[in-house]
Amino acid sequence: AQTVTQSQPEMSVQEAETVTLSCTYDTSESDYYLFWYKQPPSRQMILVIRQEAYKQQNATENRFSVNFQKAAKSFSLKISDSQLGDAAMYFCAYLYSGGGADGLTFGKGTHLIIQP
Amino acid sequence: DTGVSQDPRHKITKRGQNVTFRCDPISEHNRLYWYRQTLGQGPEFLTYFQNEAQLEKSRLLSDRFSAERPKGSFSTLEIQRTEQGDSAMYLCASKGQGWANEQFFGPGTRLTVL
Repeated sequence: AQTVTQSQPEMSVQEAETVTLSCTYDTSESDYYLFWYKQPPSRQMILVIRQEAYKQQNATENRFSVNFQKAAKSFSLKISDSQLGDAAMYFCAYLYSGGGADGLTFGKGTHLIIQP
Repeated sequence: DTGVSQDPRHKITKRGQNVTFRCDPISEHNRLYWYRQTLGQGPEFLTYFQNEAQLEKSRLLSDRFSAERPKGSFSTLEIQRTEQGDSAMYLCASKGQGWANEQFFGPGTRLTVL
């Protein structure tokens, strides 16, 4: 069974600085998707960025980018120019794309604090 | 607002009682998911539907849990004989066609079992 590990329970960064959140995963599959979701306090979870495993190019979405290392099974999220609104729980998630199982497997999350 | 909605947002019940939660997905989405999130943990997959068919159930979904999506639109999740360990946030998500499509999450129902 696949697992997702986020080793940083909490991270803190100064506003306007850059922070990197770590995620590793374990799977025997070659076709899958990886996601970073953001869950602000008392608000619903929203997708930040997505990466298809077959793509070598790292995904980027404005200030958010990933470093996808397929051989190392690593998928980190970099947030540039951190803003107060980035404060939230961030979850890394895995989805097998080979058919059948369609539920996301999440890590335990990283609580990101933005210091003004 | 055309996002995923869940009702109620909060539910407090006594151990042994039955509870039912409702999820209304985004209207054109054919897939609907239920997750459970306990304090300090990421969401855990429970089950999902494609239209009205329940296609997968996690081993976390004990026989006290049942989910339905009778007309392929809204879904209900019922927990019978609630236990204190059932206290959690129950999240619903929906998705359109295609593996890469985003799952859109609702605000969740927070269940407290006393």
